[in-house]
Amino acid sequence: EAGVAQSPRYKIIEKRQSVAFWCNPISGHATLYWYQQILGQGPKLLIQFQNNGVVDDSQLPKDRFSAERLKGVDSTLKIQPAKLEDSAVYLCASTVGRYEQYFGPGTRLTVT
Amino acid sequence: ILNVEQSPQSLHVQEGDSTNFTCSFPSSNFYALHWYRWETAKSPEALFVMTLNGDEKKKGRISATLNTKEGYSYLYIKGSQPEDSATYLCAFLTGNQFYFGTGTSLTVIP
Repeated sequence: EAGVAQSPRYKIIEKRQSVAFWCNPISGHATLYWYQQILGQGPKLLIQFQNNGVVDDSQLPKDRFSAERLKGVDSTLKIQPAKLEDSAVYLCASTVGRYEQYFGPGTRLTVT
Repeated sequence: ILNVEQSPQSLHVQEGDSTNFTCSFPSSNFYALHWYRWETAKSPEALFVMTLNGDEKKKGRISATLNTKEGYSYLYIKGSQPEDSATYLCAFLTGNQFYFGTGTSLTVIP
């Protein structure tokens, strides 16, 4: 079974630039999560999708972050414009129901 | 935002030592407690999904216990090996959302 794919693995941008991350979950997994993990902290949920609908985006900074999951499969997370404090690892995970989450390798973003 | 705490924050042990870490979480509205191992440059990997008070789970040299009434879970590693070096994350599931701890970083010294 193929795992959760994410790209790019690493990204370095200057503040005020835009960036987009891509996630392809495990086939058949209806629930998809985007997490932000800042160094020294635990992963923080940004947005949760069930199929192509948003279940929870209460912690997504909507003035600069956006996410979509077209056709209930792939998802993209965008930051526009980026700030220094957005430097983090962005993790995508998928799951079936409330069972264990399967994570992608993450995208490490550095904003300079 | 719920508070999930892990201790210690980091740990260095000698190869062959046994060790344990703690995850503390709210004792109300509990649905499940997950443990993950996250090695550098790799994806976090699920170790255990625990749902019942008193649950004890084991995978090889790693085991975990759960006390939902007092809100804690212990992860034990028996006879640590260098390949056990990783960050161990716990995640508390309530409703539809997971709340992660900050992790325990384990380094096993050969």
